[in-house]
Amino acid sequence: DAGVTQSPTHLIKTRGQHVTLRCSPISGHKSVSWYQQVLGQGPQFIFQYYEKEERGRGNFPDRFSARQFPNYSSELNVNALLLGDSALYLCASSLPELNTEAFFGQGTRLTVV
Amino acid sequence: DAKTTQPNSMESNEEEPVHLPCNHSTISGTDYIHWYRQLPSQGPEYVIHGLTSNVNNRMASLAIAEDRKSSTLILHRATLRDAAVYYCILIRTGANSKLTFGKGITLSVRP
Repeated sequence: DAGVTQSPTHLIKTRGQHVTLRCSPISGHKSVSWYQQVLGQGPQFIFQYYEKEERGRGNFPDRFSARQFPNYSSELNVNALLLGDSALYLCASSLPELNTEAFFGQGTRLTVV
Repeated sequence: DAKTTQPNSMESNEEEPVHLPCNHSTISGTDYIHWYRQLPSQGPEYVIHGLTSNVNNRMASLAIAEDRKSSTLILHRATLRDAAVYYCILIRTGANSKLTFGKGITLSVRP
């Protein structure tokens, strides 16, 4: 079975631009979460979606938004990019039951110049 | 969210056991203890989790103190591939699947 897949793997954008990152969860997983990891830090929670509804949101500005599609894939959108948005963006999928493991993708490395 | 405290780094020799500690003195009765690890240039990977009893799986063992205020991840025979950042995370029953990562502990393995 394919794991969590994210695209693109690397991306370079200019300040002020918009970016869309994509995630395909493991087959059968209905929950998708997004995390931002800046260099030297642990991942920080951005969003969780389950059955196309937002179930949780971290402390990120409104420039960050996401959505989940009927096939449970997800997009993370970031508007008006800042240099500080440069990071590794990770997607994780899991089963809806509590306390089950989360499976992470390899991430998208975003560089804002 | 209850907080966890881990040392910044540890070193181990290959093929020797490694004990990675985690303190969580404010843990509540409904918090599960999860461990994830992140190898260089990869996303985090689930290792093990437990509530009260010690747990074993193919990757590691988790020893939980009787008062649950600390736990230890045990790698029985470290390999070079085990060099990674290890995160100890508490997840409350009834909460969503949000993972709150700290800085983790960086494990180096010497050949």
